[in-house]
Amino acid sequence: EAQLVESGGGLVNPGGSLRLSCTASGFPFSSHAMNWVRQAPGKGLEWVSSINTGSVYMYYADSVKGRFTISRDNAKNSLYLQMNSLRVDDTAVYFCARDWAGNAFALWGQGTMVTVSS
Amino acid sequence: DVVMTQSPLSLPVTLGQPASISCRSSQSLVHSDGNSYLSWFQQRPGQSPRRLIYKVSNRDSGVPDRFSGSGSGTDFTLNISRVEAEDVGVYYCMQSTHWPPYTFGQGTKLEIK
Repeated sequence: EAQLVESGGGLVNPGGSLRLSCTASGFPFSSHAMNWVRQAPGKGLEWVSSINTGSVYMYYADSVKGRFTISRDNAKNSLYLQMNSLRVDDTAVYFCARDWAGNAFALWGQGTMVTVSS
Repeated sequence: DVVMTQSPLSLPVTLGQPASISCRSSQSLVHSDGNSYLSWFQQRPGQSPRRLIYKVSNRDSGVPDRFSGSGSGTDFTLNISRVEAEDVGVYYCMQSTHWPPYTFGQGTKLEIK
């Protein structure tokens, strides 16, 4: 069964950094583009970032551009999100999701909570 | 960026009755390849989102056939023919024609009357 499992969330001070991971299983990870989507407490869904299969193309929401970096390691079936200069409004559950463009977000993980607070 | 607007934002429905959610985009979602990339997602309480419909009207694997999608251009609809208790949650439309960014509607909360 295809599955995505996020990890790495936690409590961090404003201005701090955190690295999220997403481990894939049950499908050929290297053949699928991947994404991060977040959801602030009680709010809707917000796309954060996307990366293609070969890590050539990366895209970011304006709200995180210059602060977050998406990457992947196909040998480890893993997707990452390096988050720097964190702000209070980055507080959210972060989901990884598979596939993009016309087949966007076909599969989701369970999410990992990031809380930015002093 | 394309703005997605859903209505209603709250939808109380009696079990066994139909339900309908509207989604409008600020510009046409017809791609240069002729397809319209409009998806619907369900998020049950305490769970992660799950895609139900892609390319306006295509059901994902395992999605009950009481869910259907329709529409074109800028106006789209998710219909549930007979609401069941397990359908409670928040429903989001999302466009992936004009990306980045992908943009979602605000969400429609479906509850049982």
